[in-house]
Amino acid sequence: DAGVTQSPTHLIKTRGQHVTLRCSPISGHKSVSWYQQVLGQGPQFIFQYYEKEERGRGNFPDRFSARQFPNYSSELNVNALLLGDSALYLCASSLASPGSTGNTIYFGEGSWLTVV
Amino acid sequence: TQLLEQSPQFLSIQEGENLTVYCNSSSVFSSLQWYRQEPGEGPVLLVTVVTGGEVKKLKRLTFQFGDARKDSSLHITAAQPGDTGLYLCAGVDVRNYGGSQGNLIFGKGTKLSVKP
Repeated sequence: DAGVTQSPTHLIKTRGQHVTLRCSPISGHKSVSWYQQVLGQGPQFIFQYYEKEERGRGNFPDRFSARQFPNYSSELNVNALLLGDSALYLCASSLASPGSTGNTIYFGEGSWLTVV
Repeated sequence: TQLLEQSPQFLSIQEGENLTVYCNSSSVFSSLQWYRQEPGEGPVLLVTVVTGGEVKKLKRLTFQFGDARKDSSLHITAAQPGDTGLYLCAGVDVRNYGGSQGNLIFGKGTKLSVKP
């Protein structure tokens, strides 16, 4: 079975532009989360979606938005890009609903975004 | 703000040595996961611990969850160059913290280098 898949793997954008990152969860998983990992740090939670509804939001500005589609895939959108948005953006999927005990979360390979 | 502190931040050892990585917090976690991440890739799940006091073994790796579910350790016996990577611990919060219940709070990671 395929794991969590993300696209694109690498991209370069200029300041002020918009970016859309895509994620397909593991088959059967209904929960998708997005994390940002800047160099030298652990991943930081951005959004979580479960059954196409937003279930959690981290401490990120409104320039960041996301959605989940009926097939449980997801998009992360970032507007008005800043240099500081350069990071590895990770998508993760899980089977159970948020907060379930022992809910295991699996990560994709990530999308490397460089803002110049 | 919740913190998961990992120590040491960096570790460079010779092949064959033993090592222990620690993950500590003042918060209680419903479960804790350990990941290994290689440069340019997403985190790969090693283990999930759920019960206080739980010990899990994965070949040369031994994981322990503290009795109070606030801390964890990873012990590697006879380290090999293939163990090199960034080791991340991540806790799933028991509280509905800012709408992020069930999401992962990561430590900054321990960067391990095992020299042949």
